[in-house]
Amino acid sequence: QSALTQPRSVSGSPGQSVTISCTGTSSDVGGYNYVSWYQQHSGKAPKLMIYDVSKRPSGVPDRFSGSKSGNTASLTISGLQAEDEADYYCNSYAGRYTLIFGGGTKLTVL
Amino acid sequence: EVQLVESGGGLVQPGRSLRLSCAASGFTFNDYGMHWVRQVPGKGLEWVSGISWNSGNIGYADSAKGRFTISRDNAKNSLYLQMNSLRAEDTAFYYCVKDIGGAVAGTLDYWGQGTLVTVSS
Repeated sequence: QSALTQPRSVSGSPGQSVTISCTGTSSDVGGYNYVSWYQQHSGKAPKLMIYDVSKRPSGVPDRFSGSKSGNTASLTISGLQAEDEADYYCNSYAGRYTLIFGGGTKLTVL
Repeated sequence: EVQLVESGGGLVQPGRSLRLSCAASGFTFNDYGMHWVRQVPGKGLEWVSGISWNSGNIGYADSAKGRFTISRDNAKNSLYLQMNSLRAEDTAFYYCVKDIGGAVAGTLDYWGQGTLVTVSS
């Protein structure tokens, strides 16, 4: 059960787009369409941003989108805003009622 | 409004046990899977364990297998985590988390505020 691989940090200027990758294996990301993404601001509990690879919960701006190709899932944030600065985590179902998280990516809005 | 309130954290010596509880409200508890996720302060999220709506399906991370036991009491709208043989590396905030569905499928849509477990002599 090794963590999914995410870049440690990404950055972008307001209005730009950034993409965060999440790489796993055929036993997790590649094997199921149960990839989700979470935003965590410092000192706060995580918030669900994307689920089932590309679905957005009610209330999440459409600037957030998700996709998957093979063993790699991606979160794209377009039209970056200052409040998007946070840590982002991916998560995937990994079979036999287990889940696995990515190591997390720190997004800096320049 | 969905509320998940953890309790039971604290300071415990290595090798001892601790039982975490989570009181759920604002939704039909017995319709949804539930999870425990932990986070070492300043570090990333780690899924610990999950349980389906009827306790029929349960999963554990390798780090928890054999030492931790997840359970739920649908009559009391409560989730539990029994942690035995605690180690220093179990020190973390422990979050009670609701699944979007009844199974253990991994969409974690509501999170508690967490309870801190510190394992130290």
